[in-house]
Amino acid sequence: GAVVSQHPSRVICKSGTSVKIECRSLDFQATTMFWYRQFPKQSLMLMATSNEGSKATYEQGVEKDKFLINHASLTLSTLTVTSAHPEDSSFYICSAPDRGVVGYTFGSGTRLTVV
Amino acid sequence: AQKITQTQPGMFVQEKEAVTLDCTYDTSDQSYGLFWYKQPSSGEMIFLIYQGSYDEQNATEGRYSLNFQKARKSANLVISASQLGDSAMYFCAMRATGGFKTIFGAGTRLFVKA
Repeated sequence: GAVVSQHPSRVICKSGTSVKIECRSLDFQATTMFWYRQFPKQSLMLMATSNEGSKATYEQGVEKDKFLINHASLTLSTLTVTSAHPEDSSFYICSAPDRGVVGYTFGSGTRLTVV
Repeated sequence: AQKITQTQPGMFVQEKEAVTLDCTYDTSDQSYGLFWYKQPSSGEMIFLIYQGSYDEQNATEGRYSLNFQKARKSANLVISASQLGDSAMYFCAMRATGGFKTIFGAGTRLFVKA
């Protein structure tokens, strides 16, 4: 079945640094990628939608300059957390629609800890 | 606006018994899909089952079945013969037909007791 490979699975970074998270679709073309954020014991909150070849669409309240999203190709979307702070610590997960998968395909998630 | 409500923060079930996880929804869309996902402690989201709003029969996938009551706007997940590996967070979700965005409920944490 469709697979979205997400890396890294865990990352610890220092305050003020930037972290890049990659989601790569395997065996299918992901023209759209959804980026979610999940705080402990809470639901998934949609942050933004990236589309290959165009600017990402951010949800209300999400800082575009802090969470840079790039959809460089039909198989790769990246989320860069810039100038990370401890409050950015969270679980980030991506999801892509594939024609053959009604439930969409999720990456395995990235647990970011900013110290 | 769309909304998903899961009122059970946590549920306990004895191994081998059945359990129902509640989900109600609100939408102005005429055509939509309802989903259930499982999230183990490792974090990945596992798609379990799908129900289309115009599907006349309730969806079933192995030990999972979806009790769809359109008039009540409910889409409860029934897990039969619970197993220890079923212990996880379960999320109910909805997406308009033809739409891209999926909204999720708050989730229910299921604990299966041996």
